[in-house]
Amino acid sequence: DIQLTQSPSFLSASVGDRVTITCRASQDISNYFAWYQQKPGKAPKLLIYATSNLQSGVPSRFSGSGSGTEFTLTISSLQPEDFATYYCQQVDSYPRTFGPGTKVDIK
Amino acid sequence: QAQLQESGPGLVRPSETLSLVCTVSGHSLNSNYNWGWIRQPPGKGLEWIGNIYDTGETNYNPSLKSRVTITLDTSRNQFSLRVTSVTAEDTAVYYCARGDYGFDWGQGTLVTVSS
Repeated sequence: DIQLTQSPSFLSASVGDRVTITCRASQDISNYFAWYQQKPGKAPKLLIYATSNLQSGVPSRFSGSGSGTEFTLTISSLQPEDFATYYCQQVDSYPRTFGPGTKVDIK
Repeated sequence: QAQLQESGPGLVRPSETLSLVCTVSGHSLNSNYNWGWIRQPPGKGLEWIGNIYDTGETNYNPSLKSRVTITLDTSRNQFSLRVTSVTAEDTAVYYCARGDYGFDWGQGTLVTVSS
C-alpha cells in the first residue's frame, strides 16, 4: 500500500495568512493526487484533483502542486470558512489511501 | 453533479452483516466513473473501502477484502455495500462517492456495531 504522511498535523493560523500543507507519499504516484476539505459533521469536499486541477466552485485561493512523492496544498489568504481539516489522497494504485489529515484552527 | 444518499440500519450486532445502499440521482451509474465506499471511525481519518465500475469490476481494500462486497443495481441507479462479521472496529460514518477523486459524496451514515 502507498502510505501518505501530512505535515503539519495541526496548524494554527489567522485570517489572511498564507497556508501551506504538505503530503508525502511512500512511492512515486505521478499526478494522481487529490485534496479534500472536511468540516465537522460533514462529508469531505473535493478541492483539488489530479494534483493541480481546481474542482468546480472551489475558490481560486486554493491551489495544488507537486509531483512524484511530494505534494502541497496552498491557501493564499485564509478565510473564516477555511478553518477545517484537510486530507490528501492518492488514486495512483489500489488500495486508494488517504493522509491522516491536517487540522487548521483559528489563531 | 450527482446527488448521493446512503441508507441502511444505524445499529448492527457484532458478528452480523452490515448492509448499506447508495442511491444516486442526477447521474447514471453507467458512466465513465467508478462508485466507491469510504468510512470514517468517530474522531479519526478516512479509510477507503472499495469501488465498483459499471462493468461490475470491483476493487477492495485488502484490510477488509475478505469481508466486503460491493454490488451495482443499474435499474435502480443504486450500489450497495456489505460487510460481514462486523466488530466494534467497524463502527464508523460510511460515505458513498462518485469517482476515484470523490467528485460527489453522500452526506454519510453512522453505523454503530454494538450488542
